[in-house]
Amino acid sequence: QKEVEQNSGPLSVPEGAIASLNCTYSDRGSQSFFWYRQYSGKSPELIMSIYSNGDKEDGRFTAQLNKASQYVSLLIRDSQPSDSATYLCASSTGNQFYFGTGTSLTVIP
Amino acid sequence: NAGVTQTPKFRILKIGQSMTLQCAQDMNHNYMYWYRQDPGMGLKLIYYSVGAGITDKGEVPNGYNVSRSTTEDFPLRLELAAPSQTSVYFCAVHGAGELFFGEGSRLTVL
Repeated sequence: QKEVEQNSGPLSVPEGAIASLNCTYSDRGSQSFFWYRQYSGKSPELIMSIYSNGDKEDGRFTAQLNKASQYVSLLIRDSQPSDSATYLCASSTGNQFYFGTGTSLTVIP
Repeated sequence: NAGVTQTPKFRILKIGQSMTLQCAQDMNHNYMYWYRQDPGMGLKLIYYSVGAGITDKGEVPNGYNVSRSTTEDFPLRLELAAPSQTSVYFCAVHGAGELFFGEGSRLTVL
């Protein structure tokens, strides 16, 4: 069973703070990792992908990957109320994708 | 360029009825997927297809069937609907290293 585990939260942070979301995965053969944002009643949308160890930054978002620890994280700097959503972590092996249950984030104005 | 289009967006079924959820893509990618998402849960793979004429089961295929006669279309068939199939269904297409999702189909079985 290829599993992706996330803390379901909810996670609440004040506006302007850093939100930290974490994810672990069980399959050492996983090659790619993704963070999707899902607003209530909407479909998931990709916000970050990461393929190699280290950090990847895109605007206010930073994804971190540690393959030795099988750990992926997402940092959201200067959090905004519009960041309030559920964040899904996913891994992929070839053309198979595996999703965590998501972490609910609320940014308090 | 619509991307991934799902119909219907909402549907209520009675127990034992059957229906087909439609998924169409205009992205010309081979890999297509059907997921279901229950409240507070992640996405569970029902079926997937690697190209026209080729389909395979995912984690939760029971109660569903699929076909893939063209690259563009990947319909999901529910036979003998049960309350356990109440869920939101997402069709997705794999291209350029990521999954592109349709807007979802919310199905309620009463």
